[in-house]
Amino acid sequence: EEQLLESGGGSVQRGGSLRLSCAASGFTFGDYAMSWVRQSQGKGLEWVSSISGSGGSLYFADSVKGRFTISRDNSKNTVFLQMNSLRVEDSAIYYCAKVPAPIVGATTYFQHWGQGTLVTVSS
Amino acid sequence: SYELTQPPSVSVSPGQTARITCSGDSLTKQYAYWYQQKPGQAPVLVIYKDSERPSGIPGRERFSGSSSGTTVTLSITGVQAEDEADYYCQSSDSSGTLAFGGGTKLTVL
Repeated sequence: EEQLLESGGGSVQRGGSLRLSCAASGFTFGDYAMSWVRQSQGKGLEWVSSISGSGGSLYFADSVKGRFTISRDNSKNTVFLQMNSLRVEDSAIYYCAKVPAPIVGATTYFQHWGQGTLVTVSS
Repeated sequence: SYELTQPPSVSVSPGQTARITCSGDSLTKQYAYWYQQKPGQAPVLVIYKDSERPSGIPGRERFSGSSSGTTVTLSITGVQAEDEADYYCQSSDSSGTLAFGGGTKLTVL
């Protein structure tokens, strides 16, 4: 059974940093791109970032470009989201999601999701 | 970036067919995907590539997708109380940019 388990969420002050992790199991991790999607309280889904299966291609939403970075360790089946210069509007549940292809492109979607980790940024 | 537009809410009676639309110029060139999200839960993929159904989803045969021009539609036939949820469309482009619609709350009367 495929599983995605996020961790690393918590409370931080504006301008601070957090590093989220997503541990994957049940599939050949390096064969698939991975993504982060967030959802603010009572709001809709917002794509944040994606990384190819090899880790060589990175993609970011305009709202986080220059502040967030994504990486992966295929030997540990884990994808990370490093969040710097956090803003109040970054407060959300952050979901890790599996993309059913090794690359990110015009047919990218989210086949499987973790349960999410909550990030709260206070002013 | 690009936008996908969904109605905020749709209401149907049990046993009827619910139709949820998603509009956007990019949908003439790119596939759409649909997710169901129940309160307190992570989203679940219910339709991919406009009209394909993933395996392993209970009751998945009641979910279908269609596309016409700039609009895609998620249809749920024989709506049941358990189908009450938020539904999101999503698309992506060749540059690796992805976008979601604003979501539609399906209410089963």
